[in-house]
Amino acid sequence: EAQVTQNPRYLITVTGKKLTVTCSQNMNHEYMSWYRQDPGLGLRQIYYSMNVEVTDKGDVPEGYKVSRKEKRNFPLILESPSPNQTSLYFCASSLATDNEQFFGPGTRLTVL
Amino acid sequence: GENVEQHPSTLSVQEGDSAVIKCTYSDSASNYFPWYKQELGKGPQLIIDIRSNVGEKKDQRIAVTLNKTAKHFSLHITETQPEDSAVYFCAASGSDRGSTLGRLYFGRGTQLTVWP
Repeated sequence: EAQVTQNPRYLITVTGKKLTVTCSQNMNHEYMSWYRQDPGLGLRQIYYSMNVEVTDKGDVPEGYKVSRKEKRNFPLILESPSPNQTSLYFCASSLATDNEQFFGPGTRLTVL
Repeated sequence: GENVEQHPSTLSVQEGDSAVIKCTYSDSASNYFPWYKQELGKGPQLIIDIRSNVGEKKDQRIAVTLNKTAKHFSLHITETQPEDSAVYFCAASGSDRGSTLGRLYFGRGTQLTVWP
């Protein structure tokens, strides 16, 4: 089944404790992206990647890192999480920018 | 970069009525305009998209129109049903200044509620 998977689905952590949210797609997509969703603010892009080793900042990259060492994986890294990073996170992938984006099920992160 | 504005933020309609959601964009180079539907507890899913060489596209009860001159596009849902209740996002393709990479820019979303 073609899909985008994210892990974990739910995470409660404390300020400053490094964490990684994994994202994997099995559709051989070139383009992958991370979004955060907050009430009233819609989907805001954090980072995106056009291919292996090609990444760029989105609208809200501060406090986040990404890597794209393999085509199928695009992990999101929070080196020192803070409470303002409490949010719902979505990973997405597509063949290209102007093709359908497939979203993962989301990761609900709470930083205390 | 691109700026996408979406209105209204909330919309309530009676079952069977039509619903219209409007978006404007700023970058005249944008050429791809998708619409996503997000049901409660799920990730967004594409429901329809349109490219800049087309003025209108229909898929059963859903249609999208594009006015390139005015830089706006709209989602039309006819004969609404309670299962149409969801958050709807518009988006436009573009690229950030100084970047050669393309990306999608999303509107802030519209919460549509269809009352039985």
